[in-house]
Amino acid sequence: ETGVTQTPRHLVMGMTNKKSLKCEQHLGHNAMYWYKQSAKKPLELMFVYSLEERVENNSVPSRFSPECPNSSHLFLHLHTLQPEDSALYLCASSQDLRGGVMDNEQFFGPGTRLTVL
Amino acid sequence: GQSLEQPSEVTAVEGAIVQINCTYQTSGFYGLSWYQQHDGGAPTFLSYNALDGLEETGRFSSFLSRSDSYGYLLLQELQMKDSASYFCAVRDRGGYQKVTFGTGTKLQVIP
Repeated sequence: ETGVTQTPRHLVMGMTNKKSLKCEQHLGHNAMYWYKQSAKKPLELMFVYSLEERVENNSVPSRFSPECPNSSHLFLHLHTLQPEDSALYLCASSQDLRGGVMDNEQFFGPGTRLTVL
Repeated sequence: GQSLEQPSEVTAVEGAIVQINCTYQTSGFYGLSWYQQHDGGAPTFLSYNALDGLEETGRFSSFLSRSDSYGYLLLQELQMKDSASYFCAVRDRGGYQKVTFGTGTKLQVIP
């Protein structure tokens, strides 16, 4: 247990569906992240939030829409996805975005395995 | 931009020592991290180097040479449970110290 939970753990959706991924961190951290992990590719940073403000939108298609209502919760809203969006979506948090190693260490959730049909 | 290179797969014998290398190119370097990820699990933080030299944490050590843009993770007294993927990640100086991950090295420990 890393203190970061994600739901659902598995999700199968059609290309016309709308769904949301949820992430919650119980660590009192100020920064939260969404990553995409595909087979044989590096972890791809999608979005970064610091104190509920988005600080990075890494050229992610608009069919992915993040939401951070407070520093403990992060959502990823999905709509009209493509089969190539099938991947493991990982949420992470860190104490802060800057500072020393203990501030920057990222704690990852278990991920949501997404399959788009 | 940033790019990292690490071997895709490494096999080593239980009880042995294995070194996983990582070379990087970055426009502004701040530090190098290592993460471990078991199949079906979440990445977990192992170590962080901001300065040249060796950092030791139990059976794991991490080394950095900033002048060579190179680092490695050293795993000693390998155990079967060390079979996992290992990612190096570079933190840069720009903006909010963005982290970029390598493609990962899949380590298989055999009896």
